[in-house]
Amino acid sequence: AQSVSQHNHHVILSEAASLELGCNYSYGGTVNLFWYVQYPGQHLQLLLKYFSGDPLVKGIKGFEAEFIKSKFSFNLRKPSVQWSDTAEYFCAVNAKAAGNKLTFGGGTRVLVKP
Amino acid sequence: EPEVTQTPSHQVTQMGQEVILRCVPISNHLYFYWYRQILGQKVEFLVSFYNNEISEKSEIFDDQFSVERPDGSNFTLKIRSTKLEDSAMYFCASRESASGANVLTFGAGSRLTVL
Repeated sequence: AQSVSQHNHHVILSEAASLELGCNYSYGGTVNLFWYVQYPGQHLQLLLKYFSGDPLVKGIKGFEAEFIKSKFSFNLRKPSVQWSDTAEYFCAVNAKAAGNKLTFGGGTRVLVKP
Repeated sequence: EPEVTQTPSHQVTQMGQEVILRCVPISNHLYFYWYRQILGQKVEFLVSFYNNEISEKSEIFDDQFSVERPDGSNFTLKIRSTKLEDSAMYFCASRESASGANVLTFGAGSRLTVL
């Protein structure tokens, strides 16, 4: 079945540590890729997106993600996290093969210790 | 910044009762969505709506669910007879067009608790 997979369910790290969250998808063809963030008690917010062009995408709050087509991956990175990055992070894919909707990964809860 | 607003933020209901969740999408958006997130699980697509009709729905969106845009601004999700397993956070989303820039703007969510 076509799907979006996030490898880590929970990540705990200290401030200033580097963060990388994995995301893989199984759709073929054209894809649009997204990372959403959900801070505690808040709604889903778009962190960054990839449609085409430079596969290294920079988003808000110092986040970036790299699209590697050959690996069907769109991993999220941040070189140095802050306590305020504590949140749940969702990878999402919009693929023509899956109709005109977003399909979300299972999410990764990130806890940054001060 | 324009936002999608949802009401109520939290509703508690008895099993078998009807529930209506309301959403006000961004004013110039044309495509509307409902997603849900059961506690501890992934965000799931329920339904998409365009031009006053459902354009796509998931297998979750059975006959107990319906959507409506009654007055050109509100976009509602109705659950006719709630079940325990309907307890979830329901997110409304909208987007401007069908172009490749398929960016959804999400509301804050409505938490539904079915007892």
